[in-house]
Amino acid sequence: DTEVTQTPKHLVMGMTNKKSLKCEQHMGHRAMYWYKQKAKKPPELMFVYSYEKLSINESVPSRFSPECPNSSLLNLHLHALQPEDSALYLCASSQGLLLGEQFFGPGTRLTVL
Amino acid sequence: AQSVTQLGSHVSVSEGALVLLRCNYSSSVPPYLFWYVQYPNQGLQLLLKYTSAATLVKGINGFEAEFKKSETSFHLTKPSAHMSDAAEYFCAVSASEYGNKLVFGAGTILRVKS
Repeated sequence: DTEVTQTPKHLVMGMTNKKSLKCEQHMGHRAMYWYKQKAKKPPELMFVYSYEKLSINESVPSRFSPECPNSSLLNLHLHALQPEDSALYLCASSQGLLLGEQFFGPGTRLTVL
Repeated sequence: AQSVTQLGSHVSVSEGALVLLRCNYSSSVPPYLFWYVQYPNQGLQLLLKYTSAATLVKGINGFEAEFKKSETSFHLTKPSAHMSDAAEYFCAVSASEYGNKLVFGAGTILRVKS
């Protein structure tokens, strides 16, 4: 299985809602990543987990809260988001921390009203 | 200086014509270099990678790229464009001076005309 899956595919939420994005991989990768991609822009790194521990936080606002319950699963909890947080959220994984290629999921298209 | 520069935000070619997407990188240490493709509303798919082995790298879908250290370039080519190649292409670099993070260029949108 060489796939990274993400759910949901689309999400619409109000600024007072709490929601979560889910990412899963079964390639035995030990590093997992969250990226944010605005329209017509490249992905921007948000968080990096290595061996289920948070390794990098790119100064992301606290309304985004990542969680890595096990080596295959990565969540991104969302609370009190702003309309400017609307974007495509991509999950990726790699065999080692920041080494070699990263495998990307299809993304969750988030719209904040 | 930007770590990755992609010349041309939009490139248009005719079906069957040569595809050339340009990428220049900035790194004082040997980098890893990648080309990713993104179709509308989808994630990124790896086309090919350079990791200090052969300088001419062959990827999927008939794409290839050549690492030229003297020119700090890693341009992506395909001899004959197909309609299905229409997408956005990102060049990315990973190097220790960037904390080994994947640093993306701004992207190039490829349009293929019939």
